[in-house]
Amino acid sequence: AQSVTQLDSQVPVFEEAPVELRCNYSSSVSVYLFWYVQYPNQGLQLLLKYLSGSTLVKGINGFEAEFNKSQTSFHLRKPSVHISDTAEYFCAVGSGGYNKLIFGAGTRLAVHP
Amino acid sequence: DADVTQTPRNRITKTGKRIMLECSQTKGHDRMYWYRQDPGLGLRLIYYSFDVKDINKGEISDGYSVSRQAQAKFSLSLESAIPNQTALYFCATSDSYSGNTIYFGEGSWLTVV
Repeated sequence: AQSVTQLDSQVPVFEEAPVELRCNYSSSVSVYLFWYVQYPNQGLQLLLKYLSGSTLVKGINGFEAEFNKSQTSFHLRKPSVHISDTAEYFCAVGSGGYNKLIFGAGTRLAVHP
Repeated sequence: DADVTQTPRNRITKTGKRIMLECSQTKGHDRMYWYRQDPGLGLRLIYYSFDVKDINKGEISDGYSVSRQAQAKFSLSLESAIPNQTALYFCATSDSYSGNTIYFGEGSWLTVV
């Protein structure tokens, strides 16, 4: 069975500082990996995804993530955050030909001035 | 207009009442999902449907039922609501051409008192 662990439930950071949100997964088969963002009172929006190919994936709003198969990780990074990045971030894993994703518990990113 | 529309967006209901959450999509996707979001637990899959004649249970289907009335419509029912079904519910869609990406509606807040 697949599972996703987001290692930090909350991450406080000052504006313009770098940030890393950690995600580890477990799966016995090849996986697809996703990061979604949820702004207050909104649905989930896709930030980026890894399906195959280059292990460094760039997404919207300056975010990027690196797929590390040996460490079964897919950490999300941004070199300089803004107040507007305050949101909850979800890592998700899927496999096979079916779009059935398993989500992590989420990490709440709070950017302070 | 949103591609994935959920109604109602907010509902308060009493224990034991039947409640239906409706979802319609204009993306032309064949796959539809219902997820539930609880603080600290992320999103959990309730039911999913890969086409009009296909319905599958997810992780937490007990106490819920679904109906796929058309390719664009997928409703979730709580036959006899209980307080621990208080949560934020998301409808989502995808297809085999969306690169395994799932697109979410804006969510329906359900409170069972």
